[in-house]
Amino acid sequence: DIQMTQSPPSLSASLGDKVTITCQASQNINKYIAWYQQKPGKAPRQLIRYTSTLVSGTPSRFSGSGSGRDYSFSISNVESEDIASYYCLQYDNLPYTFGAGTKLELK
Amino acid sequence: QVQLKESGPGLVQPSQTLSLTCTVSGFSLTSNSVHWVRQPPGKGLEWVGAIWSGGSTDYNSALKSRLSISRDTSKSQVFLKMNSLQTEDTAIYFCTRRDYFDYWGQGVMVTVSS
Repeated sequence: DIQMTQSPPSLSASLGDKVTITCQASQNINKYIAWYQQKPGKAPRQLIRYTSTLVSGTPSRFSGSGSGRDYSFSISNVESEDIASYYCLQYDNLPYTFGAGTKLELK
Repeated sequence: QVQLKESGPGLVQPSQTLSLTCTVSGFSLTSNSVHWVRQPPGKGLEWVGAIWSGGSTDYNSALKSRLSISRDTSKSQVFLKMNSLQTEDTAIYFCTRRDYFDYWGQGVMVTVSS
């Protein structure tokens, strides 16, 4: 199984900050990584797929990049509505696997 | 519009069988895969298994011996059956579409307890 090492586990930011979350796969995942936002009591919401493709409705302050084993997800100009947990998912190989998550909080 | 909705019992006794239904609308099961993902309370997400557009299935190897996923395309429904439930199976169970999980149901909380 491909392991997805996501960091940091938690992040504290001020409104307007830029934050970055990383996911490292245990092997090359050929850019098949997606990023999700999850708020308490809600289902995850897809923000980005195939490394950097923003899903319809995703604000442009979200971005993704990477290749091979190393990927990153950024939010520029953090807004209050961005306070949530974020997960990466590799969908290159079964079983699909998620990172452990990053909880974004306001400083 | 695309929608998925899970349904099933909220409480299951240990060693019993869990049966969940995912009812979809706005897309065809014969053109799209549907996956199950679960999330224990306060924890992360785990892929459970999938039924592909052609009807074949794949399962998380840790659950494979206890798990079955099937569908009824005429009713736009996907079914999950998991037997020999243990307390560790307590989780929110989500169904989601396509291998990059673009749309999700609201989830159903399943508690395994006597």
